[in-house]
Amino acid sequence: SAVISQKPSRDICQRGTSLTIQCQVDSQVTMMFWYRQQPGQSLTLIATANQGSEATYESGFVIDKFPISRPNLTFSTLTVSNMSPEDSSIYLCSVGEGVGETQYFGPGTRLLVL
Amino acid sequence: AQSVTQPDIHITVSEGASLELRCNYSYGATPYLFWYVQSPGQGLQLLLKYFSGDTLVQGIKGFEAEFKRSQSSFNLRKPSVHWSDAAEYFCAVGYQGAQKLVFGQGTRLTINP
Repeated sequence: SAVISQKPSRDICQRGTSLTIQCQVDSQVTMMFWYRQQPGQSLTLIATANQGSEATYESGFVIDKFPISRPNLTFSTLTVSNMSPEDSSIYLCSVGEGVGETQYFGPGTRLLVL
Repeated sequence: AQSVTQPDIHITVSEGASLELRCNYSYGATPYLFWYVQSPGQGLQLLLKYFSGDTLVQGIKGFEAEFKRSQSSFNLRKPSVHWSDAAEYFCAVGYQGAQKLVFGQGTRLTINP
């Protein structure tokens, strides 16, 4: 499976600021996904990012709050904008590959907003 | 709407004992089913998956899972757990292929020495 890295691995931010999270894959993939995992909770899909098209957001997530870029087949960014303490979560990217586009996950970015 | 239920929030077993983690799903069509494991401070690692065919699937680290359509279940099993198996386990169902995953709430596994 693909090797996925994320930067930063963790960060502490002040409310009202923005943070951009990077996701890098060691091979070309069509499908990339961004998830949020709130403390003690399960994963919730934020959006699907395909290269060359606008990201598709799930209900409850909007582009103004979580803008996503997908400039090529190995890289994507997620920005968490105008952060509040409620944005404190783990943010994970995943890629789909292989039979049925099985999803493989990066190590996550642990964000704390003060 | 698709949903996944993991009835057990927290399970404690002794090292060397057998393990079964439960997962039930709600989905109208044939599901794609997955089990992932998340160790503390780590991302998610795929343990195994079911798309079609043999309903008993083998995964990594000695885990297996059985798909039972009549019960809408996909329970994860391991005959003998090791201390390193302590982690959070997530069941997920995929629709539109595996392009959209819905996750269960997770089961936290604690191993007693």
